[in-house]
Amino acid sequence: QKEVEQDPGPLSVPEGAIVSLNCTYSNSAFQYFMWYRQYSRKGPELLMYTYSSGNKEDGRFTAQVDKSSKYISLFIRDSQPSDSATYLCVINGDYGQNFVFGPGTRLSVLP
Amino acid sequence: EAGVVQSPRYKIIEKKQPVAFWCNPISGHNTLYWYRQNLGQGPELLIRYENEEAVDDSQLPKDRFSAERLKGVDSTLKIQPAELGDSAVYLCASSKAGNQPQHFGDGTRLSIL
Repeated sequence: QKEVEQDPGPLSVPEGAIVSLNCTYSNSAFQYFMWYRQYSRKGPELLMYTYSSGNKEDGRFTAQVDKSSKYISLFIRDSQPSDSATYLCVINGDYGQNFVFGPGTRLSVLP
Repeated sequence: EAGVVQSPRYKIIEKKQPVAFWCNPISGHNTLYWYRQNLGQGPELLIRYENEEAVDDSQLPKDRFSAERLKGVDSTLKIQPAELGDSAVYLCASSKAGNQPQHFGDGTRLSIL
C-alpha cells in the first residue's frame, strides 16, 4: 500500500461547480497536512496547511482532515477556469521526517 | 519576498553527458530540498539539507548524482553521466525549518537524447 493515494483524474467540472479532491494515507503518525497546486510547467504552490483534524477555510478553499479515517479533502467553491491545475496532497510526520507527496489529481474547470 | 530561483529552466543533453542544476533558496530558509518529478507523478525526494549538511540523501543515486550546498545557501545538483531515464523535472524547494511547508522553484526540465 502506498503511503499517500489520490485519484489521478482527470476531473472535469463546469465553471461554478463545487470541487471535492480527496487523499488517503496509511501512516497514523502523520501530523501535518498540506495541499499544493501545480500549474503546467510551474513548481508546486502551497494552498493550505493544517495539523489538526477538522476544517480550515481560506477564501474559496476548505481543507478537511479526518485523522481517525486517515482521509483528507480539499473543497473548492465557485470553481474558476484558473483553478485548472494538478492538486497534490502532501503529508509530514514530525520534525526531521520527509514530506510524502501524493501523485496529484488533475482538475479542469470548463468555462 | 523573492521566491526560490532555479536555473536553467530547460536543458537538453545527450546521454552520457554531464549536467548541473543550480538553486537559490528563499533568504533565511535553512532547509533545502531537491526533488525529481516524472510526468503524472508527485515529486520524489533526492536529498535534503539542513544548512550545509545533507541530512537525508538515501534516495540519491550516488553513482551518478552529487549535490552540494555551499555556505548553507545556494545548492547545485549534478548528474554525471546522464542516462535516458534521468529525463524529468528537477525541483528545488526550501523551508524555514524541517517540518514547515516548502516553497518550490519552477524546476529544471531535463531531456536526455
